[in-house]
Amino acid sequence: AQKITQTQPGMFVQEKEAVTLDCTYDTSDQSYGLFWYKQPSSGEMIFLIYQGSYDEQNATEGRYSLNFQKARKSANLVISASQLGDSAMYFCAMREDSPLSGTYKYIFGTGTRLKVLA
Amino acid sequence: EAQVTQNPRYLITVTGKKLTVTCSQNMNHEYMSWYRQDPGLGLRQIYYSMNVEVTDKGDVPEGYKVSRKEKRNFPLILESPSPNQTSLYFCASSLSGEKSRGTNYGYTFGSGTRLTVV
Repeated sequence: AQKITQTQPGMFVQEKEAVTLDCTYDTSDQSYGLFWYKQPSSGEMIFLIYQGSYDEQNATEGRYSLNFQKARKSANLVISASQLGDSAMYFCAMREDSPLSGTYKYIFGTGTRLKVLA
Repeated sequence: EAQVTQNPRYLITVTGKKLTVTCSQNMNHEYMSWYRQDPGLGLRQIYYSMNVEVTDKGDVPEGYKVSRKEKRNFPLILESPSPNQTSLYFCASSLSGEKSRGTNYGYTFGSGTRLTVV
């Protein structure tokens, strides 16, 4: 079954340092999209970054980059120069773009709670 | 403003008292979905809808009902709530699979509904 795994329930990072949040996925589909969302303590879900399965370059959005290793089925989020406001829960998600089955589904990981220390 | 509107934000109810959580989107999205978020379990899909009058079960549909009579609305109904349905609920919408495949167009989430069943 298709699956997303986030093995780090919680992480600490010092302010201004970089941090990597791990995400591995499992799918038999050739076409899929990988997303990272941030959930601050207020609860809303904020889109951060996207990587398509056919994209050859790693995605970047400001201080966020996605380390995409297709053969290893990993899509790790790298946050550079951490800020106190980065303290939040982070979810990795996969969208299955499956033309054969006609289905279209998002699967989420269990999340990683990041705490940035001053 | 493009958004998904979910109401109420907070709800405390008693076991067995029917309730409805409303969800409305103004982006003409075909795809809508309901998730529940529980600690350590991430977001789990309850029901989804590919378009008007087309709904299907997600991973945890037991105890929930949905309907999609209009494109913009996708209410979640708990006919007889129980304490194990205490959770944070999210409605989300997106373009159809065909339109979003291969793009970074992912979910737009509602603000969440924190439900407590006593």
